[in-house]
Amino acid sequence: QVQLQESGPGLVKSSETLSLTCTVSGDSITSSYWSWIRQPPGKGLEWIGYMYHNGNTNYNPSLKSRVTISVDTSKKQFSLKLSSVTAEDTAVYYCTKDLTPGSYWYFDLWGRGTLVTVSS
Amino acid sequence: QSALTQPPSASGSPGQSVTISCTGTRGDVGGYDYVSWYQQHPGKAPKLMIYEVAKRPSGVPARFSGSKSGITASLTVSGLQAEDEADYYCSSYAGISNFVVFGGGTKLTVL
Repeated sequence: QVQLQESGPGLVKSSETLSLTCTVSGDSITSSYWSWIRQPPGKGLEWIGYMYHNGNTNYNPSLKSRVTISVDTSKKQFSLKLSSVTAEDTAVYYCTKDLTPGSYWYFDLWGRGTLVTVSS
Repeated sequence: QSALTQPPSASGSPGQSVTISCTGTRGDVGGYDYVSWYQQHPGKAPKLMIYEVAKRPSGVPARFSGSKSGITASLTVSGLQAEDEADYYCSSYAGISNFVVFGGGTKLTVL
């Protein structure tokens, strides 16, 4: 059974860099597109970006200047870095897996999510 | 402000049907048959309910159906059950510039 688990600090100071890792179990990390999605408290979903194991990435244009998604295939992990955070970046961050290989716009498997709070 | 427009709320009694709309543009919903719907219960991760406008992943009840006309997609829940009470989000592929967009979500209440 494929599972995703987000990990990382739950509190980040304003202007610093948010760093999260998603660990994949039960599946090969080379078989799918992997995305990060976030949800501010009480608000809707926002796609952050995706990566493929070969290093191919694409990001939400509104976040592109601050986002980096990378992969460590040996550890079966992919990571999110979001720089220069503000209170507006406070959200639950989810890592996700695509429905079928290549369909990065469908999110079939989700991690449980991790709340990251940006403090001043 | 979300890229796709959904009504903030919808409701229906058990056994009834309810339809939730999702309006976009020709650059997303109207341009591609890559619309999906997600169900989210409080404190839980979203769950994929519909993809490619009208297809259901394995395990999703047939009570859930999707459709699209022009720039508006719709999710219909038939035979409402108490466990259908949740937030529902639509999403669409939006081309190589914007990639993926979501709606603001609709809170479905089973009366």
